[in-house]
Amino acid sequence: AQRVTQPEKLLSVFKGAPVELKCNYSYSGSPELFWYVQYSRQRLQLLLRHISRESIKGFTADLNKGETSFHLKKPFAQEEDSAMYYCALPPPGGLTFGKGTHLIIQP
Amino acid sequence: GAGVSQTPSNKVTEKGKYVELRCDPISGHTALYWYRQSLGQGPEFLIYFQGTGAADDSGLPNDRFFAVRPEGSVSTLKIQRTERGDSAMYLCASSSDSGGTQYFGPGTRLLVL
Repeated sequence: AQRVTQPEKLLSVFKGAPVELKCNYSYSGSPELFWYVQYSRQRLQLLLRHISRESIKGFTADLNKGETSFHLKKPFAQEEDSAMYYCALPPPGGLTFGKGTHLIIQP
Repeated sequence: GAGVSQTPSNKVTEKGKYVELRCDPISGHTALYWYRQSLGQGPEFLIYFQGTGAADDSGLPNDRFFAVRPEGSVSTLKIQRTERGDSAMYLCASSSDSGGTQYFGPGTRLLVL
């Protein structure tokens, strides 16, 4: 069965510090992975997907098949990055989400 | 254009009652998904529609849960004989096709007393 693990429930870093949100997955086949973000009082939205290989809001994520990881990184955190972040595996059917990491950026 | 909308935004009901939750997807989106999110958890997949038919309902927890999408647009999630454990945020998402980016609605928060 496919599974997504986000080991950190809460991550607190200072503004300007690097951020790494961890995501490990279990999946048979070649996965496409996603990061979704939910800012306070807003709906869940796609941040990035690995297949597009783009940087969104300064965030990047590299798929490491050997380590079965898809960690989300940003070199310099900003206060507006504070949010819930969810790593997800793709359909068929619906997305399989991790439990999420609450990222808090301290001023 | 308008995003995915869900009504009601909040629903309080009593144990044993029947509830209906509505989802209006983005116009033209053929795929529609329902998820349930409990406190402290990520969204959990319930059911997925491609057009009018349920392509995958493997996430529905039991036969008290049912969903329809009769005209391939609006969908209704129906819960019979509600239980306190059904209390959660119910999220709907739509995409232009089955592999496309899913756009989420604001959710319906269900509380079963």
